[in-house]
Amino acid sequence: LAKTTQPISMDSYEGQEVNITCSHNNIATNDYITWYQQFPSQGPRFIIQGYKTKVTNEVASLFIPADRKSSTLSLPRVSLSDTAVYYCLVRNQAGTALIFGKGTTLSMSS
Amino acid sequence: EPEVTQTPSHQVTQMGQEVILRCVPISNHLYFYWYRQILGQKVEFLVSFYNNEISEKSEIFDDQFSVERPDGSNFTLKIRSTKLEDSAMYFCATSPRQGPHEQYFGPGTRLTVT
Repeated sequence: LAKTTQPISMDSYEGQEVNITCSHNNIATNDYITWYQQFPSQGPRFIIQGYKTKVTNEVASLFIPADRKSSTLSLPRVSLSDTAVYYCLVRNQAGTALIFGKGTTLSMSS
Repeated sequence: EPEVTQTPSHQVTQMGQEVILRCVPISNHLYFYWYRQILGQKVEFLVSFYNNEISEKSEIFDDQFSVERPDGSNFTLKIRSTKLEDSAMYFCATSPRQGPHEQYFGPGTRLTVT
């Protein structure tokens, strides 16, 4: 599986748009890009998944350029409750296990 | 919304004792997983389970660990002889299908080995 690299931490303010970029230079043709969120003392929670271009749901948007070597999770108008660790994962079509990295800790100021 | 549930929420045990962690998957989900997270560290995959068989396991999942679905509803993780380093949050996750599909995580069981 392709290794992912993302910033260890990010700071933001309430109401701002937050963009977290993940690099996955060795992504394979059959791989998907998935993002999970984890609040303290809770299990990870699925946010969004995509293969190429742009995916949007009620929580976030995921931007994937044509070469797919990186992806950006965009959280619109964050609030204090968005304080969490955000994980970028690469999964293939047959994938079962989720392989987590250290993630990006998003901290918020009011 | 259906949820994965886990019991107990917190288990304290002495080194060398056996523990069984329980998970109730979302009904109609067929794929089950255990993960663990040592305090302050990343979430680590332990094992995946489908059709009453282990389909994948990590290096962490050694002979001290076992999984089963004893009654068609619960999904359990047993640690035969706990060690101090087994202290962690253990998360159960389930998925309706194989492949790059969303996994739904339970709230976790905090295992403390003394």
